[in-house]
Amino acid sequence: NAGVTQTPKFQVLKTGQSMTLQCAQDMNHEYMSWYRQDPGMGLRLIHYSVGAGITDQGEVPNGYNVSRSTTEDFPLRLLSAAPSQTSVYFCASKDRSMNTEAFFGQGTRLTVV
Amino acid sequence: AQSVSQHNHHVILSEAASLELGCNYSYGGTVNLFWYVQYPGQHLQLLLKYFSGDPLVKGIKGFEAEFIKSKFSFNLRKPSVQWSDTAEYFCAVNAWNTDKLIFGTGTRLQVFP
Repeated sequence: NAGVTQTPKFQVLKTGQSMTLQCAQDMNHEYMSWYRQDPGMGLRLIHYSVGAGITDQGEVPNGYNVSRSTTEDFPLRLLSAAPSQTSVYFCASKDRSMNTEAFFGQGTRLTVV
Repeated sequence: AQSVSQHNHHVILSEAASLELGCNYSYGGTVNLFWYVQYPGQHLQLLLKYFSGDPLVKGIKGFEAEFIKSKFSFNLRKPSVQWSDTAEYFCAVNAWNTDKLIFGTGTRLQVFP
């Protein structure tokens, strides 16, 4: 049981490049989300999804797109990377039942130069 | 909207000292509360959680937290810290009627031998 898997672990992009951060979970969780972690700011919610075909914005959605075509996958797209998007990105998933915890991936460290 | 405040940004302790990290949230309804820990270079791991019932909850590695509803607080405690507790600690809240998990800004704990 792999849990939540993120790829890649590290990535360097040039300003203006695009890329997709991958997230997959094998726990059949309906809820999936993306966070970015910056020093002194904790984890801030970028986008989330409550099921296939349903996505919504979190606290800091600008510059990021998401889609959810399957229950298992929730990719995060940067269409035109900016240095302000240098961060560590975490994907999380959880069951939508009332009393459940979220499970996190290992993170992707992204640097935009 | 729900929010979480962690007032201790950086805590430095000697081994065997007692620890208390503050967490306050703003949401008037029923909530689920969590503490996550992030060891250097690693992803987030669940330390403990509160859903309902006994307001004093025990987690892994000797940590405990107390939910005080009247104070909207969920403070983390450990009677005697160890060098291996050096990590960043995040409080998080999930309102009962939403799937979103909102994090505080985190507390960096350094424990010296």
